[in-house]
Amino acid sequence: SQELEQSPQSLIVQEGKNLTINCTSSKTLYGLYWYKQKYGEGLIFLMMLQKGGEEKSHEKITAKLDEKKQQSSLHITASQPSHAGIYLCGADRGGTSYGKLTFGQGTILTVHP
Amino acid sequence: DAGVTQSPTHLIKTRGQHVTLRCSPISGHKSVSWYQQVLGQGPQFIFQYYEKEERGRGNFPDRFSARQFPNYSSELNVNALLLGDSALYLCASSPGTGGNQPQHFGDGTRLSIL
Repeated sequence: SQELEQSPQSLIVQEGKNLTINCTSSKTLYGLYWYKQKYGEGLIFLMMLQKGGEEKSHEKITAKLDEKKQQSSLHITASQPSHAGIYLCGADRGGTSYGKLTFGQGTILTVHP
Repeated sequence: DAGVTQSPTHLIKTRGQHVTLRCSPISGHKSVSWYQQVLGQGPQFIFQYYEKEERGRGNFPDRFSARQFPNYSSELNVNALLLGDSALYLCASSPGTGGNQPQHFGDGTRLSIL
């Protein structure tokens, strides 16, 4: 099984709808990163979460970290076609693994106008 | 300021050949990491370099090697290419290796093996 499991694997929503993507880790998290990727392109950094209970927002995207549950969620409010893409969570395990990110398999988001 | 730049953007090779991929980090960033992303999966860590020294290596065979230059740019070399090496190779840079420093990625090099 994957160290990081994302759900759902894919998501199709109508423009204006809210949505949530989840990321669950099987190992202790030191840091959790969210990235967005357009097909075949590089990753765009969205947010970094480090402390249990931490919540960050940027424009219409909010990410939370539940350290005890080793889970993070990414919530998009009033989705737009520009939100479409692949969302990836990446985990930093800390210690000797600082900066060596482990990624989930990604969630493909489609937003219909 | 320029982001992480990678070259070439696309590359086609045949089995058994070798390939060199290049990466220039964001100005001021001293750490460079390499990832392999196979279609439909998340990126997998290959190498991390900081101040020209290897700081980490993922679960990849010895056919994969890398180095970092005094100007912090980096090269990834892959020898004896296999069909399974076909992937998007991503380079990421960060100021250092600390866990609170997000990595910023380039657009990648698409490598196709025939």
